[in-house]
Amino acid sequence: DIQMTQSPSSVSASVGDRVTITCRASQGISSWLAWYQQKSGKAPKLLIYAASSLQSGVPSRFSGSGSGTEFTLTISSLQPEDFATYYCQQADSFPLTFGGGTNVEIK
Amino acid sequence: QLQLQESGPGLVKPSETLSLTCTVSGGSISSNNFYWGWIRQPPGKGLEWIGRIFYSGRTYYNPSLKSRGTISVDTSKNQFSLTLKYVTAADTAVYYCARLHGDRWYDVWGQGTTVTVS
Repeated sequence: DIQMTQSPSSVSASVGDRVTITCRASQGISSWLAWYQQKSGKAPKLLIYAASSLQSGVPSRFSGSGSGTEFTLTISSLQPEDFATYYCQQADSFPLTFGGGTNVEIK
Repeated sequence: QLQLQESGPGLVKPSETLSLTCTVSGGSISSNNFYWGWIRQPPGKGLEWIGRIFYSGRTYYNPSLKSRGTISVDTSKNQFSLTLKYVTAADTAVYYCARLHGDRWYDVWGQGTTVTVS
């Protein structure tokens, strides 16, 4: 199985801050990576697919980059509704696997 | 607008079988572009992929389930289902059904259903 490692596991930030989350794959996955946002008690929501493509309806302050084994999710200016847990997921091979999550908290 | 809704018992006894159904509305499950899958999330933990199915019945499961899981589809009811045998407390989780776009990423999710094994 491909292991996905996210860092940091938690980040404290203020409204308006730029936040970057990193996801590393245990082997190369080309651009087969997705990012999800999960708010407490809710289902995950797809933000980014194919490493850098913005899902329809997702604000442009979210962006993704990377290929191979290292990927980043960037929130350019953190908004109050962005405080949540973020997960990466590799889509290169089965079984599909997720990172451990990054909790974005209010500073 | 496509919606998915999980249903099934919220409490299952150890060693018994967990059975959940996902009802798809606002679209057909018999699409060549999508697969349909199950994901679970133990309390306070991350996401675990269980498996997925195509409307033709073609499946793939996470080997971590050790062959305990089965996913089936009923195109006449626009539903797909998960059964998990010989459950233990480790199977306690929120179970989500979701649409798998291009067999790659989940773009539509159900709200999730909590299953407790006790």
